[in-house]
Amino acid sequence: DAGITQSPRHKVTETGTPVTLRCHQTENHRYMYWYRQDPGHGLRLIHYSYGVKDTDKGEVSDGYSVSRSKTEDFLLTLESATSSQTSVYFCAISESPTGSDTEAFFGQGTRLTVV
Amino acid sequence: AQSVTQPDIHITVSEGASLELRCNYSYGATPYLFWYVQSPGQGLQLLLKYFSGDTLVQGIKGFEAEFKRSQSSFNLRKPSVHWSDAAEYFCAVGEGTYKYIFGTGTRLKVLA
Repeated sequence: DAGITQSPRHKVTETGTPVTLRCHQTENHRYMYWYRQDPGHGLRLIHYSYGVKDTDKGEVSDGYSVSRSKTEDFLLTLESATSSQTSVYFCAISESPTGSDTEAFFGQGTRLTVV
Repeated sequence: AQSVTQPDIHITVSEGASLELRCNYSYGATPYLFWYVQSPGQGLQLLLKYFSGDTLVQGIKGFEAEFKRSQSSFNLRKPSVHWSDAAEYFCAVGEGTYKYIFGTGTRLKVLA
């Protein structure tokens, strides 16, 4: 299994509070991604990183920010959590951009509930 | 806009029966196509991928998929399903930039 660790695995938080999810990899892959998974929507890209301090928005980035200060860590922050951000969040990594012929490796997910 | 359609939300098959999961895509060029599987409480694992060449590709766990350009399809098949195949299956297209476009998934239930 690819060395990807997401923390926490489960979290319940209150509306309006900031939340940070962490993705840690031991594979030294350049590209890292945050997806959210919701019933009826599959997985949707929130943000991605193509190197240390290099990040960009995905299709559902509103209300989220990311940071990548080291190759191995990619943080996702919900600046002020809302109920619509209740979801399962997946981190993924890849050696090359996933828009090409490369495989992505996924973490086990973080289940976030905003009450 | 590019899109991926998995028309079956749920499929139930008996153990030992054959399986076909449908995937249709909308993409201008020859796409990069993937099938991933998600077991309960787990992340996604790659089953197989297609980029070019032979349109019938073999993957792990006895799965195969066939790319049909004329039908814009990339259907996943398995000749004999095992109870451990119960999971959710996602078709995805690599759309040329940094992201996959995922289908909404098909949840497979296997009857003993």
